[in-house]
Amino acid sequence: GAVVSQHPSRVICKSGTSVKIECRSLDFQATTMFWYRQFPKQSLMLMATSNEGSKATYEQGVEKDKFLINHASLTLSTLTVTSAHPEDSSFYICSASTGAPRGNTIYFGEGSWLTVV
Amino acid sequence: QKEVEQDPGPLSVPEGAIVSLNCTYSNSAFQYFMWYRQYSRKGPELLMYTYSSGNKEDGRFTAQVDKSSKYISLFIRDSQPSDSATYLCAANTDKLIFGTGTRLQVFP
Repeated sequence: GAVVSQHPSRVICKSGTSVKIECRSLDFQATTMFWYRQFPKQSLMLMATSNEGSKATYEQGVEKDKFLINHASLTLSTLTVTSAHPEDSSFYICSASTGAPRGNTIYFGEGSWLTVV
Repeated sequence: QKEVEQDPGPLSVPEGAIVSLNCTYSNSAFQYFMWYRQYSRKGPELLMYTYSSGNKEDGRFTAQVDKSSKYISLFIRDSQPSDSATYLCAANTDKLIFGTGTRLQVFP
């Protein structure tokens, strides 16, 4: 099946700094990528939908100036958490779609653990 | 009301038991329904997906969708300790919406 790679898998940063997480589709072109965050023992919450070459669409309640998403190519989307605070500590997961987002066309990365100290 | 509702569990069963996991949803526009398995600190992996109503079977797993009652089910037969994980139901139109996930523990 298709492979989606996330990097880094784990990152610790100081409060007030920014951190970038990359999501790559390794063997397919992804017109759409999705970013989720997941707190411990909770579900995946969609943060934003990222389309190549256009601005991301953010879900209600997600600060677009804090969570910067760039989808510059068909194989790479990045999430930058700006001025990170401890409450931003979470598991961030991306997914990529090989076409129209349907059940069997969406592939998930392994996730990135962010700890802000 | 959440668009996809799921009992968080935990659900604990003995090895060999039949497991029933369920979700309800509110958006009648949903057409694709998925079940994902997520092990601790890992990304979710797709187990089953169905389009519209009906049943789908894959080995020990059976997924059911009843669009008239907006009900989604996953059955696991002959459950194994390796099935212990969190199971998330999901539905989508142009984006994927997840349930809260049910934590399943299968003990030997």
